[in-house]
Amino acid sequence: EPEVTQTPSHQVTQMGQEVILRCVPISNHLYFYWYRQILGQKVEFLVSFYNNEISEKSEIFDDQFSVERPDGSNFTLKIRSTKLEDSAMYFCASMGEGGGTEAFFGQGTRLTVV
Amino acid sequence: KQEVTQIPAALSVPEGENLVLNCSFTDSAIYNLQWFRQDPGKGLTSLLLIQSSQREQTSGRLNASLDKSSGRSTLYIAASQPGDSATYLCAVNPANTGKLIFGQGTTLQVKP
Repeated sequence: EPEVTQTPSHQVTQMGQEVILRCVPISNHLYFYWYRQILGQKVEFLVSFYNNEISEKSEIFDDQFSVERPDGSNFTLKIRSTKLEDSAMYFCASMGEGGGTEAFFGQGTRLTVV
Repeated sequence: KQEVTQIPAALSVPEGENLVLNCSFTDSAIYNLQWFRQDPGKGLTSLLLIQSSQREQTSGRLNASLDKSSGRSTLYIAASQPGDSATYLCAVNPANTGKLIFGQGTTLQVKP
């Protein structure tokens, strides 16, 4: 069964460093998303991406964050100058032909900023 | 602003029981609602997707219902098993954009 793949599964970084979280969405999907879940809190929407551009972003997704689809398969989230409060589980998700179809999530990347 | 609430926050039942998890949302104008399962430290596994025009969806021992006008959805699990132990999340899709708004989840423990 097709799945969303995220790498790495766990990343530890020093405060102020840049990190890139990688995702391979399901191959024929067109809509891509990043969410995060701080420990013990709700899953929160960060950004949606369609047709090679950001279609929507949350208040959390400030200039520190950026997304890119550098080739036909990868979808990345870059966090510049990480802060302690960026520590969270980051999930990538993809949807098929429409934004109202079933969302499939990856296994997540646990980011720990020290 | 759409808010999603799940009650109870935690639930412990003996194996074999039928159980109901609740999800409520404040704005009835949703496109669809999706139920997920999350195992500790893991990703989200999609269980059921209900479109706004549907009243329920079934998959195996799971049945999800949707009452859009009252802002409620329930996930019914029949004949619970220890392997059902996990956190169950509901998420609403307010528009045809795929941006999901999540509840805080119900953590279920099924005791053998």
